[in-house]
Amino acid sequence: EAQVTQNPRYLITVTGKKLTVTCSQNMNHEYMSWYRQDPGLGLRQIYYSMNVEVTDKGDVPEGYKVSRKEKRNFPLILESPSPNQTSLYFCAIWLFFGEGSRLTVL
Amino acid sequence: AQRVTQPEKLLSVFKGAPVELKCNYSYSGSPELFWYVQYSRQRLQLLLRHISRESIKGFTADLNKGETSFHLKKPFAQEEDSAMYYCALSDGANNLFFGTGTRLTVIP
Repeated sequence: EAQVTQNPRYLITVTGKKLTVTCSQNMNHEYMSWYRQDPGLGLRQIYYSMNVEVTDKGDVPEGYKVSRKEKRNFPLILESPSPNQTSLYFCAIWLFFGEGSRLTVL
Repeated sequence: AQRVTQPEKLLSVFKGAPVELKCNYSYSGSPELFWYVQYSRQRLQLLLRHISRESIKGFTADLNKGETSFHLKKPFAQEEDSAMYYCALSDGANNLFFGTGTRLTVIP
């Protein structure tokens, strides 16, 4: 069964404390991406990766980093989170989305 | 630049009534269009893609290139259809661009 696994699912943190949201897949797919979902704005792409070591910015990359050292993992890194990064984050493997990670930055 | 527009933020229909969720797009190339559904507090689920031309849960959508539309339709709404619906466009490079979504409420 195809799986997209995100962790953590819920996180409350404070401004400036680095955090990483992990995403892993068992689909052996090249394409992975991160989105944030905010009320009234729909989903906006943060970063995407076409393959290992190939990443590129989406529509709203500011304040985020990603890495793709291996095919199955695509972590989203917030080096210095700010309150405006409070959102629901989704990892996607091409058309298939993870369960989401709700992040609150105080 | 590509854009997906869902003009209705909210849509309410009575159970058993027809429902149409509108989606318009702008894209200079040949788009691939999708509909996603998101039930309360759940992940986005792929509902339809235009190239497959299939019906899922009674929903259908036809790509109208002349009107640049991809409206989602169902002849008889059910209470379990209440959810958030997103229209999305792919640029052929695997990137998805989403509309802002329409929240459908089916009134019993």
